[in-house]
Formats: sequence, structure tokens, C-alpha cells
Amino acid sequence: GENVEQHPSTLSVQEGDSAVIKCTYSDSASNYFPWYKQELGKGPQLIIDIRSNVGEKKDQRIAVTLNKTAKHFSLHITETQPEDSAVYFCASTDSNYQLIWGAGTKLIIKP
Amino acid sequence: SQTIHQWPATLVQPVGSPLSLECTVEGTSNPNLYWYRQAAGRGLQLLFYSVGIGQISSEVPQNLSASRPQDRQFILSSKKLLLSDSGFYLCAWSGPHGYYGYTFGSGTRLTVV
Repeated sequence: GENVEQHPSTLSVQEGDSAVIKCTYSDSASNYFPWYKQELGKGPQLIIDIRSNVGEKKDQRIAVTLNKTAKHFSLHITETQPEDSAVYFCASTDSNYQLIWGAGTKLIIKP
Repeated sequence: SQTIHQWPATLVQPVGSPLSLECTVEGTSNPNLYWYRQAAGRGLQLLFYSVGIGQISSEVPQNLSASRPQDRQFILSSKKLLLSDSGFYLCAWSGPHGYYGYTFGSGTRLTVV
């Protein structure tokens, strides 16, 4: 079945710097790749997603890139701010269109 | 617009007591519904999902069960709680095939004592 690996598990960056989180997937038929942000004590929230017919998508300071050949996708956050501190999850779809989740990355923004 | 409601927000229950967590969705019909559990500092573990009334799929064997008595209502239950049932429980919904992403509720923090 589909498997999603996410790295790193913890990422600490200086405020104002960029952060990159990477995920790889195993099922070449996967065609939808969302990213979620989970703040402490809250449910995860969708922040950006990309479909397999697109290589890159941007929304203000966040962007997602997809490399279908290599089967990996990445979340890029530029000009990081304290409110970006959270746990980020990537996911991809399996053959039943269910989301398969990465293990999560704890992003720490240092002042 | 669509909204998802999950309650209670926190719950402390003794070992051996029953459990009932409820989730409802508004503003959509025939959603796919999900129950996840999250241990402290850990990832999302899918417990149950449902594609329609009375249709429940279980992902892992456990002390819990789920029911979907109405189109937009999803209930997580246990007859006798174990200490290991403690965690953060999340309900989510999606459109057909999950193409619109999952929308999560605010979660229930369950502590079994």
C-alpha cells in the first residue's frame, strides 16, 4: 500500500529564514498532496494542496512543489514568523482515495 | 459553508467506564467521515471511516467502535475504557474521494484515569 515518509521530524529555524519540509510517497498513482498545519491542542488545518498535474503552487509565503518522477513533494515557508510554529503534516492519496499521512514535522521558529 | 462540530473538548473518564464522542457536519450531504486518534507528540492514526449511513470501516483492532446513525453524524464509542485509550481524538470529513481535502474538528482530549 501507499507509504508516506516525512523529514525532518523537527526543524528549528531563525525567524525570517526559510523552512523546507520534504515528503516522499510510494504509489505512483497518487494524485493529490495536501499539507496541514496543527497548532497545539487544535485539529489540523489544510494550508495548501497540489494535484499531480501541477508542479508548483504558491500562496503568499507558502509554496508546495511536486516531483512526480522522483515521487516527492515539499513545503516551503519563506520569511518565517513566530505564528508558523506548529506541527506540519503531509499526505497523499491511496488507491481508495483515502489520505495516507506523513509522521509530522515540528517546526520551531526561534526569535 | 460547511462546518464540523465535535464534542466534548475535554473528557476525564475512569478505567472501565463507557465512552461516547459525537461529531456532526453541517452544510454538506453524504460526506466521508473519519475518526483519528493522536497520541501526545505523535502522528495521526486512522481509527474508522465511513462513506455512508451504516457503513463503517475499521483500520485497527481496538477497544473502540464507531457508528453513523445519520448522514452527517459520526459517533465513537467504547463499552469499557482502557488506560491506553487516552489521547486526542479528531473527527474529520471530506467530499467524495477526499479531493477537497479533509476538514478536521477541534478535537477531544480524552484522559482515562
